[in-house]
Amino acid sequence: EAGVAQSPRYKIIEKRQSVAFWCNPISGHATLYWYQQILGQGPKLLIQFQNNGVVDDSQLPKDRFSAERLKGVDSTLKIQPAKLEDSAVYLCASSLDRDSLKTQYFGPGTRLLVL
Amino acid sequence: GQQVMQIPQYQHVQEGEDFTTYCNSSTTLSNIQWYKQRPGGHPVFLIQLVKSGEVKKQKRLTFQFGEAKKNSSLHITATQTTDVGTYFCAGPNQAGTALIFGKGTTLSVSS
Repeated sequence: EAGVAQSPRYKIIEKRQSVAFWCNPISGHATLYWYQQILGQGPKLLIQFQNNGVVDDSQLPKDRFSAERLKGVDSTLKIQPAKLEDSAVYLCASSLDRDSLKTQYFGPGTRLLVL
Repeated sequence: GQQVMQIPQYQHVQEGEDFTTYCNSSTTLSNIQWYKQRPGGHPVFLIQLVKSGEVKKQKRLTFQFGEAKKNSSLHITATQTTDVGTYFCAGPNQAGTALIFGKGTTLSVSS
């Protein structure tokens, strides 16, 4: 079974530029999560999708971050414009459904450096 | 807001020594999950505990869920260099739809 795929793996941009990350979850997984992991901390949920609908985006800085999962499969996360404090690893995870008892499977992450 | 806390933040041990990390939640949890993240890697699911007082073992790893379902621990017996990484506990948010992760305990092992 293929795991969660993410691209790119690394990205370096200057502040105020835009960047987009892509995630392809495990086939059949209805729930998709985007997390931000700052160095030395645990993953922090940014947004959660159930199929193509948003379940929770309370921690998403909506003035600069946006995410979509139009067809309920792949997802993109965008930052526009980026700030220095956005430097982090952006992890995508998926699970069978939104039940917290279901295991979350993480992708390899995108390491973003904002200069 | 709801918080999940872990101690210690870092732990260095000699190979063969035991290691324990503790996790505490500000609220009662329906379940708790443990993940391991190797250096440069991504979190990988280890185990989930659901019942009050539950104890589960995976080879040299022993996981416990407290009676009040607000704390948990992970104990590794006779650590090996392959145990190196950061161990995270995570509990569901109030809505029960997403996980709140602790800051993790980073384990280093010298041979």
